Amino acid sequence: QKEVEQNSGPLSVPEGAIASLNCTYSDRGSQSFFWYRQYSGKSPELIMFIYSNGDKEDGRFTAQLNKASQYVSLLIRDSQPSDSATYLCAALKRGYQKVTFGTGTKLQVIP
Amino acid sequence: DADVTQTPRNRITKTGKRIMLECSQTKGHDRMYWYRQDPGLGLRLIYYSFDVKDINKGEISDGYSVSRQAQAKFSLSLESAIPNQTALYFCATASSGADLTGELFFGEGSRLTVL
Repeated sequence: QKEVEQNSGPLSVPEGAIASLNCTYSDRGSQSFFWYRQYSGKSPELIMFIYSNGDKEDGRFTAQLNKASQYVSLLIRDSQPSDSATYLCAALKRGYQKVTFGTGTKLQVIP
Repeated sequence: DADVTQTPRNRITKTGKRIMLECSQTKGHDRMYWYRQDPGLGLRLIYYSFDVKDINKGEISDGYSVSRQAQAKFSLSLESAIPNQTALYFCATASSGADLTGELFFGEGSRLTVL
């Protein structure tokens, strides 16, 4: 079982819709969770991090964490074609300082 | 100029050759990482270093070695390259002060092809 699991997609949503990206993790010692966006041929860039149960909002993005269910999600409201990218979920186990990545979900926003 | 610089950006080599990928950073971070990315497999950690004297293996270190020449420089070597080491390699840095945020800053990647 991979430590961080994501559906590879592609996830296709129409422009203006809400995109919902999901991630599960297996190690209960993981304390911080991240969403990185990676455009094709580019390096990943951090868009959100969360370490407390509940929701965290930043503009059009909302990260959700449920530690009991070991589940992390990212909602993108009012999706734009420029949001089309691969979204990588990652987990950090405190004390080890290693960030473990999922395989990524490819999002396509259809104009 | 990029804060995390990788060289070379692209390299084609033959099986059995020794290859070095270099990473340098101007962010002043003490933590540096090497990841490899393959289609469908995501980013996998090869080696990481918390300071010049601290080197640690990641999940896929076999066939690789690293050198932390200075706080700002972290090199990845393939002593005898093989075709399944064909991948996109990323160097990343992080601040030791970011315990919970743990944000990684990535270089632009080095695409390696082993024939």
